[in-house]
Amino acid sequence: DSGVTQTPKHLITATGQRVTLRCSPRSGDLSVYWYQQSLDQGLQFLIQYYNGEERAKGNILERFSAQQFPDLHSELNLSSLELGDSALYFCASSGSGAGGLETQYFGPGTRLLVL
Amino acid sequence: AQSVTQLGSHVSVSEGALVLLRCNYSSSVPPYLFWYVQYPNQGLQLLLKYTTGATLVKGINGFEAEFKKSETSFHLTKPSAHMSDAAEYFCAVLGGTSYGKLTFGQGTILTVHP
Repeated sequence: DSGVTQTPKHLITATGQRVTLRCSPRSGDLSVYWYQQSLDQGLQFLIQYYNGEERAKGNILERFSAQQFPDLHSELNLSSLELGDSALYFCASSGSGAGGLETQYFGPGTRLLVL
Repeated sequence: AQSVTQLGSHVSVSEGALVLLRCNYSSSVPPYLFWYVQYPNQGLQLLLKYTTGATLVKGINGFEAEFKKSETSFHLTKPSAHMSDAAEYFCAVLGGTSYGKLTFGQGTILTVHP
């Protein structure tokens, strides 16, 4: 158990809908990262937040957005969902975020299926 | 920009045999390197990491990896495979202008035969 929690575990929805994925980092960790794992793209970095502020951005679609709250939990919002958004979404967390060179600990993931 | 190449999307070994999973990286700065393991229907678990210092790093479950700068490699080994090692293994690199972004290889599925 990494100490990172994600909810829900599974999500089934329809095209065009919007969903919110939630992540609670390990106790004391200030950085939260979101990754998408799909069969065709593999594991792709989406976005990083550090203590409430966006720190780095990867291959995140404009239809997707994220935020980190004062209690350090994070939410990833996916809107106007398409079939191709079906994937496993991971959250990871790390310590101080200083320099970005830290070990990231991953949550169990949320499996999203868009029908 | 960093990149990671894992040679062999599938590796099959017999129980008790040597496990060797290959990883080559590309990085313009001294990299931090990681191996993660993913068991079926589970998240990513950290196996081991290289940051600085000793180039041979030991991880959990008897795995180790050696950082070879001249070969830009970070291969994962285990002397004797166990059935419970069957999983997908990911090599990843961190560093430079990518800040906190982990760049992953495409993964290697390890199958262990009795």
